[in-house]
Amino acid sequence: DAGVTQSPTHLIKTRGQQVTLRCSPKSGHDTVSWYQQALGQGPQFIFQYYEEEERQRGNFPDRFSGHQFPNYSSELNVNALLLGDSALYLCASSYSRQGEFGEQFFGPGTRLTVL
Amino acid sequence: AQKITQTQPGMFVQEKEAVTLDCTYDTSDQSYGLFWYKQPSSGEMIFLIYQGSYDEQNATEGRYSLNFQKARKSANLVISASQLGDSAMYFCAMRLQMDSNYQLIWGAGTKLIIKP
Repeated sequence: DAGVTQSPTHLIKTRGQQVTLRCSPKSGHDTVSWYQQALGQGPQFIFQYYEEEERQRGNFPDRFSGHQFPNYSSELNVNALLLGDSALYLCASSYSRQGEFGEQFFGPGTRLTVL
Repeated sequence: AQKITQTQPGMFVQEKEAVTLDCTYDTSDQSYGLFWYKQPSSGEMIFLIYQGSYDEQNATEGRYSLNFQKARKSANLVISASQLGDSAMYFCAMRLQMDSNYQLIWGAGTKLIIKP
């Protein structure tokens, strides 16, 4: 049973460019959450997708957008990249009907460097 | 405002000793949950233990236990008999909703280094 997978592993972009990160959830999971983790800090919640819709959003600008596909996989898009967008981007999947304790399983992350 | 505070940026512990990682939280919600995750240098977040606000007993998972003191709003992680493989970043996190579609608020983490 494959866990959460993310691609690419590493990415280098320049300021102003656009980037797309991808996430495949754990088998049986239908909800995907994205987090940004700057170096030396804890993760920050970006948004969450369920039933192909953005259900919750953290305090991130509209440059950050996403999508969820019918197979529950998800993409995170960042436009007009800034140096401050350099971070580890973590994807977490969970099952919506797991009740109170719905553990989020995390992928290995995508390390984005903006030059 | 909901907030997680981890006051120990780094800790050095001798192998086989027990270690306590501190976590305090702030929320006005009556129902909440607290997680501890381990993040090795590879970057992946590994779930360790969970405590719900209404759980009367402290959570335990193998060598991990959570010292939950609700009145003091603390949820410290205790690792017994530490091992070299325990060296990693440790994060305390709080869920904001009590259904399955929740987001997590995270602390800044504690870097734990186990000395042989």
